[in-house]
Amino acid sequence: GNSVTQMEGPVTLSEEAFLTINCTYTATGYPSLFWYVQYPGEGLQLLLKATKADDKGSNKGFEATYRKETTSFHLEKGSVQVSDSAVYFCALSRQGGSEKLVFGKGTKLTVNP
Amino acid sequence: EAGVAQSPRYKIIEKRQSVAFWCNPISGHATLYWYQQILGQGPKLLIQFQNNGVVDDSQLPKDRFSAERLKGVDSTLKIQPAKLEDSAVYLCASSLALATKETQYFGPGTRLLVL
Repeated sequence: GNSVTQMEGPVTLSEEAFLTINCTYTATGYPSLFWYVQYPGEGLQLLLKATKADDKGSNKGFEATYRKETTSFHLEKGSVQVSDSAVYFCALSRQGGSEKLVFGKGTKLTVNP
Repeated sequence: EAGVAQSPRYKIIEKRQSVAFWCNPISGHATLYWYQQILGQGPKLLIQFQNNGVVDDSQLPKDRFSAERLKGVDSTLKIQPAKLEDSAVYLCASSLALATKETQYFGPGTRLLVL
């Protein structure tokens, strides 16, 4: 079945450091891929998405590229801020974004000043 | 635009008791989802509605969980009787339509603790 594996946390970085959170997936066909973020005390928010191979999703300085050859969708940011501290979830949807989401376990990021 | 509303935000019950959660999706959203998020894990879909019909309930423990969306708008998720392993955050999400590239928008969740 469809599944998502993301790097174990927690991840602790200093402000302005480079961030990578790895995500790989297993799926039949051509799923859509997502990164959701959960800030402390808040609900899940869509951070970015990509719906086909080689697409790059980007938002708030975060980027991720849909790599079909490596079945990956790694999240990157060149310079993190304290306000980026949150839990990040990689997810896939079999088609589009309205089919059910299959999530990874989440990676907690803490950014220190 | 108002987001997905859920209530209550927190609930503590004893095992074998019953509990109900309420969700009001974004206005005009035809598709509604209930996810269960156990501590340390990603959310897992319990049930998905398109208007008032069930699209997917394959991972809903039907011996104790039930959900309805009678008028195709609000939805209620019920657990009866609750078990210790039901302690989790219950997330409601909605999207405009099924089988599209529409985004799912999540509510703040209801945190359930079963003692």
